[in-house]
Amino acid sequence: GAGVSQSPSNKVTEKGKDVELRCDPISGHTALYWYRQRLGQGLEFLIYFQGNSAPDKSGLPSDRFSAERTGESVSTLTIQRTQQEDSAVYLCASSLSGRWDTQYFGPGTRLTVL
Amino acid sequence: QQQVKQSPQSLIVQKGGIPIINCAYENTAFDYFPWYQQFPGKGPALLIAIRPDVSEKKEGRFTISFNKSAKQFSLHIMDSQPGDSATYFCAASGDNFGNEKLTFGTGTRLTIIP
Repeated sequence: GAGVSQSPSNKVTEKGKDVELRCDPISGHTALYWYRQRLGQGLEFLIYFQGNSAPDKSGLPSDRFSAERTGESVSTLTIQRTQQEDSAVYLCASSLSGRWDTQYFGPGTRLTVL
Repeated sequence: QQQVKQSPQSLIVQKGGIPIINCAYENTAFDYFPWYQQFPGKGPALLIAIRPDVSEKKEGRFTISFNKSAKQFSLHIMDSQPGDSATYFCAASGDNFGNEKLTFGTGTRLTIIP
């Protein structure tokens, strides 16, 4: 079956512009996670959705970052007024329900802020 | 604060050798320890995972060893092959009431030379 998909695969933007990154999880997966991977580093947790609710937003680095999920499916991560330090690969993962379920990752969106 | 420390940062092993990657954690609430494999341009994919009620788990050529008292776990790859060349991440999660956000190590870039 189809895995987690993300779009766009690459995004180049100018400092100060807003960007939207999209994640399509595996159908039926209620848990959805966003992570950020800076060059040569591990993944940092950003936000967790269970259904359409986001009970854990503790990893969002600033109020310029926000995310939503609709229809217990698609999620969008929005970064406002992008900064150069926002440059990274943004990865989305989904799992069946959460507890000990495997997280399946998408290929990521590589964001470059000039 | 890095809650999962991973070493080494990079590793070169000859084909057939047994690369070993080590991780140490601090949070005693962690109760799920997966290893992810990531190829360039791809999202991480689950390789093998362990719960702390066992000290070792094997799946094919991959083995996790777990030492609860030392708060350490490691990945061993038997009969390593050039196709195993990738970046490996350890991770941990636990006790988040369904939010299994993963805390990742910084990754090990493994190269298997023929």
